[in-house]
Amino acid sequence: DIQMTQSPSSLSASVGDRVTITCRASQSISNYLNWYQQKPGKAPKILIYAASGLQSGVPSRFSGSGSGTDFTLTISSLQPEDFATYYCQQSYSSPRAFGQGTKVEIK
Amino acid sequence: QVQLVQSGAEVKKPGASVKVSCKVSGYTLTELSMHWVRQAPGKGLEWMGRFDPEDGETFYAQKFQGRVTMTEDTSTDTVYMELGSLRSEDTAVYFCTTENRDCTNGVCRIIFDYWGQGTLVTVSS
Repeated sequence: DIQMTQSPSSLSASVGDRVTITCRASQSISNYLNWYQQKPGKAPKILIYAASGLQSGVPSRFSGSGSGTDFTLTISSLQPEDFATYYCQQSYSSPRAFGQGTKVEIK
Repeated sequence: QVQLVQSGAEVKKPGASVKVSCKVSGYTLTELSMHWVRQAPGKGLEWMGRFDPEDGETFYAQKFQGRVTMTEDTSTDTVYMELGSLRSEDTAVYFCTTENRDCTNGVCRIIFDYWGQGTLVTVSS
């Protein structure tokens, strides 16, 4: 089974900051890597698919990169509505797997 | 527009079973791949398994093998997830979600696009 590891597990940042979250797969998953945002009490929302594809309706300040085993989610200028928990997820094979999450908090 | 509406919160005793439903509207059930994901209080997302209504195929995470069953009722466009031998560690919000697979111009988008609202299952004596 493929394991997904995110870092950091949490971070504090200010509005306007550039934020980077990393995700590592235990084996190569090509570009089958998605990023989700989850706010308290809500279901996750897809942000990025296939490592770098921006889901329709998602602001362009979100971007993704990487392939193989190492991936990155970047928020270019953090907005108040971006404070949430972010998860990576591999769609390369079953069982599907999520990273443990990165909580982005207000500094 | 696809909508997933889940059944309400449940409280169960250790050793019991729980069956959570997920009613699908706006799409034909047999055209979807249905997955279940759970989230314990204050914890991350945990994938449980998938059910493909088109052929009835299932794939369960090893952790839940022997305890989980995913089924469908096509007459009501509803999928079900039943988890047995409950223990306190199974206390969580359970989500159903659809997996959308679309390959265009060499890029494959395989994502969880629609989600139910979540069902809280509490296991307590």
